[in-house]
Amino acid sequence: DVKVTQSSRYLVKRTGEKVFLECVQDMDHENMFWYRQDPGLGLRLIYFSYDVKMKEKGDIPEGYSVSREKKERFSLILESASTNQTSMYLCASSLIDRSDTEAFFGQGTRLTVV
Amino acid sequence: DQQVKQNSPSLSVQEGRISILNCDYTNSMFDYFLWYKKYPAEGPTFLISISSIKDKNEDGRFTVFLNKSAKHLSLHIVPSQPGDSAVYFCSDTGANSKLTFGKGITLSVRP
Repeated sequence: DVKVTQSSRYLVKRTGEKVFLECVQDMDHENMFWYRQDPGLGLRLIYFSYDVKMKEKGDIPEGYSVSREKKERFSLILESASTNQTSMYLCASSLIDRSDTEAFFGQGTRLTVV
Repeated sequence: DQQVKQNSPSLSVQEGRISILNCDYTNSMFDYFLWYKKYPAEGPTFLISISSIKDKNEDGRFTVFLNKSAKHLSLHIVPSQPGDSAVYFCSDTGANSKLTFGKGITLSVRP
């Protein structure tokens, strides 16, 4: 069974903390993505990566960075957490250059910044 | 850049009736559109896709229609069931297989 696994289901962090969200996939996919989901705003792309050490900004990269040192792992970093980063974070992976195949999502991380 | 838009945030239908969820797009250069379904506290899961060379794709109770001249696609669910209550997202695949999503439609199917 294919899997995208996010390290935490729920996190509570304090304002100003550095936060790491980890995502691992076991499908040998080239593409990996980080989204956040907020009510009324849908799924917004933060960053994506199409290869190891490669990254591209999505629609809302401000306040975030990413790391992809290994093909299977894609980390999202909140350099200094703020309350407006309270959200549901979703990681996904997909095959590159295969627009006919779907992306697979992790179960999500509900992050609360207090 | 491709933009996909889901302009109706919610839909409520009676069990057994048809649900029609709509999605509009701006850029005609695409290969596939995909629909995903999302339950609360879970990640989205793939539901059905449609190729640009087709105008219809059917999978059981789910059918997606593509109207290229109107840059519009729609997902039909017949008959609707309470378990279909979820948020539905349409998405496209752009450069480097970048995925962009609409804002989603919350479907409620009343028993």
